[in-house]
Amino acid sequence: GDSVTQMEGPVTLSEEAFLTINCTYTATGYPSLFWYVQYPGEGLQLLLKATKADDKGSNKGFEATYRKETTSFHLEKGSVQVSDSAVYFCAPQYNFNKFYFGSGTKLNVKP
Amino acid sequence: NAGVTQTPKFQVLKTGQSMTLQCAQDMNHNSMYWYRQDPGMGLRLIYYSASEGTTDKGEVPNGYNVSRLNKREFSLRLESAAPSQTSVYFCASRMTQGETYGYTFGSGTRLTVV
Repeated sequence: GDSVTQMEGPVTLSEEAFLTINCTYTATGYPSLFWYVQYPGEGLQLLLKATKADDKGSNKGFEATYRKETTSFHLEKGSVQVSDSAVYFCAPQYNFNKFYFGSGTKLNVKP
Repeated sequence: NAGVTQTPKFQVLKTGQSMTLQCAQDMNHNSMYWYRQDPGMGLRLIYYSASEGTTDKGEVPNGYNVSRLNKREFSLRLESAAPSQTSVYFCASRMTQGETYGYTFGSGTRLTVV
């Protein structure tokens, strides 16, 4: 069935390091792809999205490209900051009521 | 600020007690949702309301009921709380059910059932 596999955490990086969080989805259908971020004690916030193949979503220095051939939507950032410490969720949506969330990847950024 | 407002933020219940979690959004969104978040399990959909006047079960509806009171408000009720319902509950809304629209989430209700 439809699902999403997300890189396990926690991921610990030093400030200004390069970040990649892997996400792959099952290829039944043609989902829209989302990344959400959850800061401590808060709800999830939409970070970026891509709705068709080869689209690149971007926000706050984060980017992810919709790769249909590899069914992936990896999150990247060139230089992380301490304020990026949070939990990141990959979330493909297949149709109006099939919206899956990955298990989340916790990112810790050290000064 | 515009968004999704949940009350209460924290609650402790005894087993068997009942309570209602409140949720309201002021973005004129049509669709509203209740999720629970448990460690290591991500988010799981409890119930959703695609539009005012309709509600449907999600992945884990047992032990819960919902009411879409009007377009703005969507409440979640626990009739007889159990320790397995200890969780963080999030309400969310979207403009429509279309797959290109993302969610707006509330800040959550942390519920402990003892």
